[in-house]
Amino acid sequence: DIQMAQSPSSLSASVGDRVTITCRASQSITSSLNWYQQKPGKAPNLLIYAASGLKSGVPSRFSGSESGTDFTLTISSLQPEDFATYYCQQSYRIPYTFGQGTKLEIK
Amino acid sequence: QVQLVQSGAEVKRPGSSVKVSCKASGGTFSSYAISWVRQAPGQGLEWMGGIIPISGTTNNAQKFQGRVTITADESTTTAYMELSSLRSKDTAVYYCAREVAIYSGSTMDSWGQGTLVTVSS
Repeated sequence: DIQMAQSPSSLSASVGDRVTITCRASQSITSSLNWYQQKPGKAPNLLIYAASGLKSGVPSRFSGSESGTDFTLTISSLQPEDFATYYCQQSYRIPYTFGQGTKLEIK
Repeated sequence: QVQLVQSGAEVKRPGSSVKVSCKASGGTFSSYAISWVRQAPGQGLEWMGGIIPISGTTNNAQKFQGRVTITADESTTTAYMELSSLRSKDTAVYYCAREVAIYSGSTMDSWGQGTLVTVSS
């Protein structure tokens, strides 16, 4: 199975901060990487598809990038509603696998 | 806009089975796949398997091989996930999600609300 190493596991930040979350795949997955946001008690919500595609309706402060097997989710200026848990997921090969998650908390 | 509505919470005994439904509305049921993802309490997301309704083709994670059965009924635009031989570690919220193919892999762009399955004696 393809392993997705996500870091950090938790992150404290303030409104207005720029934050970066990283996922590293255990092998090449081309650009087959998605990012999801999950709030407590809710289903995950797609933010970024294919490494850098912004889902329609998702604020432009969210962006994704890739460099080889390293993938990054950036939030350019944190808003109060962005405090949540974020997951990466590879769709290159079955079984699809997720990163362990990054819990973004208010500092 | 596709909406996925799942069946309600279940409490099951160890060793029994559970069948969770996922009804789709909007979109064309046969034009996408349905994946099932679970989340144990306080834990991360785990992909279990999926189905392409138009063909009935399924793929399951090896971990669940022999225990999970995923089906779909095009006439009612409903997908099902049945998990057998339940144990306490299967206590989790189970989600269905619409999976669409894109230019690089696929993505899960719509999710059901989740179904809590509790396995307890």
